[in-house]
Amino acid sequence: AQSVTQLGSHVSVSEGALVLLRCNYSSSVPPYLFWYVQYPNQGLQLLLKYTTGATLVKGINGFEAEFKKSETSFHLTKPSAHMSDAAEYFCAVSPGGSSASKIIFGSGTRLSIRP
Amino acid sequence: EPEVTQTPSHQVTQMGQEVILRCVPISNHLYFYWYRQILGQKVEFLVSFYNNEISEKSEIFDDQFSVERPDGSNFTLKIRSTKLEDSAMYFCASSPHPSGANVLTFGAGSRLTVL
Repeated sequence: AQSVTQLGSHVSVSEGALVLLRCNYSSSVPPYLFWYVQYPNQGLQLLLKYTTGATLVKGINGFEAEFKKSETSFHLTKPSAHMSDAAEYFCAVSPGGSSASKIIFGSGTRLSIRP
Repeated sequence: EPEVTQTPSHQVTQMGQEVILRCVPISNHLYFYWYRQILGQKVEFLVSFYNNEISEKSEIFDDQFSVERPDGSNFTLKIRSTKLEDSAMYFCASSPHPSGANVLTFGAGSRLTVL
């Protein structure tokens, strides 16, 4: 079974500051990991994903995340926050491999950007 | 860029009424999903669908819910007799393959309000 824990339901940073959104996962098999973003009144948009290979993955809008197996973590970072980054961010996991699978989402972290 | 289209964007209904939410997945995708998000809570998996049958369903997906692909393009979620607690945003998603490595593309959602 898979599960995701996002630490911090709300994170607030100043414009230009580092963004760090934390995600820890639990999986009985090697996982695939995702970050999705949800802007107000919109659907879920994929930021980035990790499947296999390089553990540091880069996504859209300057975001990146690093898969750390030893820490069962997949934290999302961005060096310099922009006002347009204000949104809800969801970490998600699915089992790796070719079997049919659903994505399990974390509870989300709301990112606010202070001017 | 191909997208998943959902209608209606917002529906208000009385408790006990039947509701049908419609989705048009991406045309060459074979796997379809419904998720829901109760206001302020996490995105929850409801059901996955492939080859005209349910692949997997969650505990939430009880006898009040059904899914159907009535023609080659639409994928519908029916709630037979709505309850207050069914008020949520319902997201449809599709993917070309079942593997977790393939990203689910989500629609913008249908907001259901049950009075």
